[in-house]
Amino acid sequence: DVKVTQSSRYLVKRTGEKVFLECVQDMDHENMFWYRQDPGLGLRLIYFSYDVKMKEKGDIPEGYSVSREKKERFSLILESASTNQTSMYLCASKREERYTGELFFGEGSRLTVL
Amino acid sequence: AQSVTQLDSHVSVSEGTPVLLRCNYSSSYSPSLFWYVQHPNKGLQLLLKYTSAATLVKGINGFEAEFKKSETSFHLTKPSAHMSDAAEYFCVVSESSGAGSYQLTFGKGTKLSVIP
Repeated sequence: DVKVTQSSRYLVKRTGEKVFLECVQDMDHENMFWYRQDPGLGLRLIYFSYDVKMKEKGDIPEGYSVSREKKERFSLILESASTNQTSMYLCASKREERYTGELFFGEGSRLTVL
Repeated sequence: AQSVTQLDSHVSVSEGTPVLLRCNYSSSYSPSLFWYVQHPNKGLQLLLKYTSAATLVKGINGFEAEFKKSETSFHLTKPSAHMSDAAEYFCVVSESSGAGSYQLTFGKGTKLSVIP
């Protein structure tokens, strides 16, 4: 079974703090994604990566950055957390970009910024 | 440009009665369509997918969906709801964005409640 693991399920941070959200997948997938999920808004794509050290902006990249130093790991970074970044963050992975197959999701990281 | 509209934000059914979750899409080309389910405090899990083969697609846990190109719909159904079906459901469209890559667009979700 594909497994996507998000290291932190629940985090509470203060405004201005730097936040790291880590995601690891064990199926050698080329593509990895970070989404943000808010009630009534569905899932919105923040960033994605189709290869090591490669990244592409999604629909809402402002206030976020990402890092992909190894194929299995994709990190989301909030340089200076703000209260409007309180949300559920979901990581996902998929086989190569040319494959319109399913996304495999982690269980999510619920971030609260005070 | 593609889009997905889930017509109901919340659906409530009694246990043992049929489930219908509605999804309409717009797409310039031949899309692939997916339904995902999310149980509370969990990630999303694939229920079923349509990728231009049979228009009636069967998924896990007794769910199925029918691709109707003329109506641009991909509604999710189940003959008899179970308490464990209470969750949020997302309709997703995937379309080629050129150069061999694909763009995914998520609907805003439908929360299904099952009344005992």
